[in-house]
Amino acid sequence: GAVVSQHPSWVICKSGTSVKIECRSLDFQATTMFWYRQFPKQSLMLMATSNEGSKATYEQGVEKDKFLINHASLTLSTLTVTSAHPEDSSFYICSASLGGRSKNIQYFGAGTRLSVL
Amino acid sequence: GQQLNQSPQSMFIQEGEDVSMNCTSSSIFNTWLWYKQDPGEGPVLLIALYKAGELTSNGRLTAQFGITRKDSFLNISASIPSDVGIYFCAGRRGTGTASKLTFGTGTRLQVTL
Repeated sequence: GAVVSQHPSWVICKSGTSVKIECRSLDFQATTMFWYRQFPKQSLMLMATSNEGSKATYEQGVEKDKFLINHASLTLSTLTVTSAHPEDSSFYICSASLGGRSKNIQYFGAGTRLSVL
Repeated sequence: GQQLNQSPQSMFIQEGEDVSMNCTSSSIFNTWLWYKQDPGEGPVLLIALYKAGELTSNGRLTAQFGITRKDSFLNISASIPSDVGIYFCAGRRGTGTASKLTFGTGTRLQVTL
């Protein structure tokens, strides 16, 4: 399968600071990447769809000014959690669509665990 | 957002046993996917299904796309300890790169020796 790299894997920050998470497609180009959030023992919930060269599309209830997404190249999307608070602590996972014969299947990164103190 | 219903929610089985789990929806999907997630990791794709009625295998895993397009099933034969994890189904309506996935609630599998 395709390789999606996510960095960092774990980050601890103080309340009020901003944190950037990177998602890279290592062996393919991805015009679309997705950002999910997962709370303990729960399923993945889609936060936003990241589109290369254009604005991200956010799901209902997700604050776009809180979760800034930038997809500046075909292999990199970033999620910035601005002015983080303890309730933003969660597991954030990105995915990228692989087209062609793979029929746009989403492949996932290893996730980033964010802890806000 | 919407979630698909998976059952069972969790299961304890002995090594060597077969496992069955299913995923149901109130609406139709055109693609069904099964992923496995280990603790602290992202989901890993197991099987993708594209056509109603399709039966696809990947080693000891077999999955089926329900005829109604509202459900899917995953079977694991002769379970081994490394099968432990959370299994998620995911449905997709579109086919383009921006097509969203709707995830199931997950089935937690634990295998005892």
